[in-house]
Amino acid sequence: SQTIHQWPATLVQPVGSPLSLECTVEGTSNPNLYWYRQAAGRGLQLLFYSIGIDQISSEVPQNLSASRPQDRQFILSSKKLLLSDSGFYLCAWRINRDRVWGRFTEAFFGQGTRLTVV
Amino acid sequence: AQTVTQSQPEMSVQEAETVTLSCTYDTSESDYYLFWYKQPPSRQMILVIRQEAYKQQNATENRFSVNFQKAAKSFSLKISDSQLGDAAMYFCASWRGGATNKLIFGTGTLLAVQP
Repeated sequence: SQTIHQWPATLVQPVGSPLSLECTVEGTSNPNLYWYRQAAGRGLQLLFYSIGIDQISSEVPQNLSASRPQDRQFILSSKKLLLSDSGFYLCAWRINRDRVWGRFTEAFFGQGTRLTVV
Repeated sequence: AQTVTQSQPEMSVQEAETVTLSCTYDTSESDYYLFWYKQPPSRQMILVIRQEAYKQQNATENRFSVNFQKAAKSFSLKISDSQLGDAAMYFCASWRGGATNKLIFGTGTLLAVQP
């Protein structure tokens, strides 16, 4: 069965420090991968999505970047964190529908990372 | 642009009663899918129900059902026989088929269940 791992679960980082959040998926190949951010009491904002290795689309211009060095690995990074980067970050995956014609699944989410920038 | 709107920031329901959460969406695509996700205090995202736009029949999953009004671009969630465990944040989401592959969420509705 497919599983998604996201770490760390919680992180406290000083302003100006770098960030690296990692997400890996097991049990599937060529998934679509997503990074979302959820500010306190707010909805989910799509940050990045990827349909394949080194294929990243950015939704919101900001202090963050994403990379997909391997098929099932999605990394969210920042060179210098800002206070406004605080929030709850969620990684998600779903089957690439182009590979499974006529079939669809929902997105599956990781456990999330609570990032506090101090 | 693909947008999802939830106009009810908070809702409350008595245990065993029925509640309806509203959602409207906007898309120019003919191929799309709609979802309701539940986020309990643990913050784990849990799929509640999904609807394929090409299907006219409303989706149902046990106590959860939707009212899908395609022409009005409305997708409401009805929870029957509400239970204390239903208390959570509920998000409406849409996925537009095709190469873009973006899953877009609404701002959420916080549901409280009163005993």
